[in-house]
Amino acid sequence: NAGVTQTPKFQVLKTGQSMTLQCAQDMNHEYMSWYRQDPGMGLRLIHYSVGAGITDQGEVPNGYNVSRSTTEDFPLRLLSAAPSQTSVYFCASSLGGFQETQYFGPGTRLLVL
Amino acid sequence: AQTVTQSQPEMSVQEAETVTLSCTYDTSESDYYLFWYKQPPSRQMILVIRQEAYKQQNATENRFSVNFQKAAKSFSLKISDSQLGDAAMYFCAYRRGDNNNDMRFGAGTRLTVKP
Repeated sequence: NAGVTQTPKFQVLKTGQSMTLQCAQDMNHEYMSWYRQDPGMGLRLIHYSVGAGITDQGEVPNGYNVSRSTTEDFPLRLLSAAPSQTSVYFCASSLGGFQETQYFGPGTRLLVL
Repeated sequence: AQTVTQSQPEMSVQEAETVTLSCTYDTSESDYYLFWYKQPPSRQMILVIRQEAYKQQNATENRFSVNFQKAAKSFSLKISDSQLGDAAMYFCAYRRGDNNNDMRFGAGTRLTVKP
């Protein structure tokens, strides 16, 4: 039981490049979410999913896309990276909504030059 | 919009002593959840404790307990018998009861434990 895994751990991008941050969980959780963490700020919700095929926007969705084709995977796509997207990204999953215990992945540190 | 405020950017405590981390929040809702998360140097977020707003009894988890003051919109975390492994960033978080996309975190408090 690996919990929530994220790849890569660290990535450097140039402005305008695209990439996908991977997130997978093996706990059969319905809810999955993506957060970003910036210095001096708490985590901010980007997108979330309440089950396969269902996604919705969080607090800061602009510049990011998500899809949920399976229960296990919830990739986050940056369409055209910008320096403002330099951050640490966390994926989380929970059995039934944000009121339940969320299990976080180890994070992906992204630097956009 | 609901906001979560942690007024102490840094706190320190002596090993085996007790420390209290402060959190206040702003909401007009009556149904919501409050959380304390711990983020050690490994960066992984770990749930410490959770409180449902409709419950008057303060939540406790071993050495961790909260002081939930609903009228004052205050949700402080008390760590008793502090251990070196408690050193971490601590985040207070709020989730509105009926809204999946309204999950808010405070800016965090960095706790140092002195041996």
